[in-house]
Amino acid sequence: EVQLVESGGGLVQPGGSLRLSCAASGFTFSSYEMNWVRQAPGKGLEWVSYIDSRSSLIFYADSVKGRFTISRDNAENSLSLQMNALRDGDTAIYYCATTSMTYWSQGTLVTVSS
Amino acid sequence: EIVLTQSPATLSVPPGERATLSCRASQSVGSNVAWFQQKPGQAPRLLIYGASTRATGIPARFSGSGSGTEFTLTISSLQSEDFAVYYCQQYNNWYTFGQGTKLEIK
Repeated sequence: EVQLVESGGGLVQPGGSLRLSCAASGFTFSSYEMNWVRQAPGKGLEWVSYIDSRSSLIFYADSVKGRFTISRDNAENSLSLQMNALRDGDTAIYYCATTSMTYWSQGTLVTVSS
Repeated sequence: EIVLTQSPATLSVPPGERATLSCRASQSVGSNVAWFQQKPGQAPRLLIYGASTRATGIPARFSGSGSGTEFTLTISSLQSEDFAVYYCQQYNNWYTFGQGTKLEIK
């Protein structure tokens, strides 16, 4: 069974940092491109970042470019999102998702507030 | 950035009837469109990719059509579990999502 289990969400002050992790199991993680997608409370979906299977290609939405860093460890079957200089507008549920968004994690809430 | 506009924002349909949801792209995206279903408190679920191909395990009552800039998701006979929010997504030029259509029971 494919599973994507996130951790690392929580409350952080504006300007602060947070690191999200996504543990993968039930599939060959090293063969899959991965994405982060977020959803502000009561709002729609927003793609955040992409990483290919070998970490050779990495892309970000303009809204997070220069502040967020995506990475992966294929030996550990894990995906990460380092979020720096957080703003109120980054408050959202963050999901990790596989290639073509076939599989999604349960989501973790990040709240940026003073 | 490619903008996707979904209509209507809310659709009220009785169980057993057909629902038709629309998605319009600001420029051509070929057939690189997916549809997702999301229920409260849950992650989105992939229904359709390639504009018209059902994902694994998706019932045949869900169908997608369209190409270029106009796309449609049709649910042929609504079941109680189908009432949810539906999003279209384009992946022709990175990813963008529509704002969603809430499908509610009439």
